[in-house]
Amino acid sequence: AQSVTQPDIHITVSEGASLELRCNYSYGATPYLFWYVQSPGQGLQLLLKYFSGDTLVQGIKGFEAEFKRSQSSFNLRKPSVHWSDAAEYFCAVGEAAGGTSYGKLTFGQGTILTVHP
Amino acid sequence: NAGVTQTPKFRVLKTGQSMTLLCAQDMNHEYMYWYRQDPGMGLRLIHYSVGEGTTAKGEVPDGYNVSRLKKQNFLLGLESAAPSQTSVYFCATSGREETQYFGPGTRLLVL
Repeated sequence: AQSVTQPDIHITVSEGASLELRCNYSYGATPYLFWYVQSPGQGLQLLLKYFSGDTLVQGIKGFEAEFKRSQSSFNLRKPSVHWSDAAEYFCAVGEAAGGTSYGKLTFGQGTILTVHP
Repeated sequence: NAGVTQTPKFRVLKTGQSMTLLCAQDMNHEYMYWYRQDPGMGLRLIHYSVGEGTTAKGEVPDGYNVSRLKKQNFLLGLESAAPSQTSVYFCATSGREETQYFGPGTRLLVL
């Protein structure tokens, strides 16, 4: 069974500082990996995704993530955090199309990001 | 082009009451999903559908039923609501490219 672990429940950074949110997954084959962001009272917005190819993927709002197969990780990074980045971030792993999974996602528990001015 | 919409946005139920949550999409996606979100647990899949007329159980299906009579709509029903079903419910849709697009959510409080 696939699983996703986000070790950090809550992270606090100062505005302008760099950010790294950790995500570790368990999956038997090459996973489809996603990062979503959720602002308070809102739905989930896709930040970026990895399906195949270049292991460093760029997303919206200046975020990037790196797929490291040897470490089963897909950490999210941003070089300089803005106050508007305060939100909850979810890592998710999905299964390949064409199988019996039909694109189902398994989510991590989420990491709440607080940004100090 | 509204994307994914959910009705209602908020609802309060008494234990034992029933209700139906509606998810509608105008993206012509085949796959639709219902999740529930609880603090510290991320999102968990309740039921999903791979096309009109089909439904399947997800990770936490007990106490819920679903129907997909039309491609654009996916209904989630609670026949006899329980306080444990207090949650935020999200609908999502996807095409074959695997990216799921989420609705704004429905907050449900069961007293």
